[in-house]
Amino acid sequence: GNSVTQMEGPVTLSEEAFLTINCTYTATGYPSLFWYVQYPGEGLQLLLKATKADDKGSNKGFEATYRKETTSFHLEKGSVQVSDSAVYFCALETAGNKLTFGGGTRVLVKP
Amino acid sequence: NAGVTQTPKFQVLKTGQSMTLQCAQDMNHEYMSWYRQDPGMGLRLIHYSVGAGITDQGEVPNGYNVSRSTTEDFPLRLLSAAPSQTSVYFCASSRGTRLPQETQYFGPGTRLLVL
Repeated sequence: GNSVTQMEGPVTLSEEAFLTINCTYTATGYPSLFWYVQYPGEGLQLLLKATKADDKGSNKGFEATYRKETTSFHLEKGSVQVSDSAVYFCALETAGNKLTFGGGTRVLVKP
Repeated sequence: NAGVTQTPKFQVLKTGQSMTLQCAQDMNHEYMSWYRQDPGMGLRLIHYSVGAGITDQGEVPNGYNVSRSTTEDFPLRLLSAAPSQTSVYFCASSRGTRLPQETQYFGPGTRLLVL
């Protein structure tokens, strides 16, 4: 079956630091890959996505590249802000809009 | 557009009680789904619907029922609540499975505590 593994948090950073959240997956077929973000007290929002190998998704300064050879989709941001404090979820979809999520990584950015 | 709305925001139940979590969307989306979020486990799919009158089970359907009588509404029913159902529940919608890699829109969640 499908599964997503991402690094456990919390990840605590200072403002302007570099952020990496690792995500690897196991899937049958050719999945689409997503990063969702959940700000405190809110639902999930799509942050970025990639639909085929070597695609790079980007949004709000975040980037992730679909690496089929390493089955990975690591999230990166070069300079985080306090407003980036949130829980980040890696997810995949193989068919029918059904998403498989990783466990989530809480990120705390301190001023 | 209000997007995806969920009620209530928070609920406390006693073991054995029943309740319905409401979910509505005003985007004319065909696909709707329910997830539960538990610490360290991400979100897991409970039930989903590809259109009015059509529902199917997800990864963790036991203890939950759904129906889809209209495009807009997709309620989740707990017939006899158990402490293991303590969780945060999210409803999501998207345009439909015929379109690839559709963005899913999530509601704000319902926090449920079963004592």
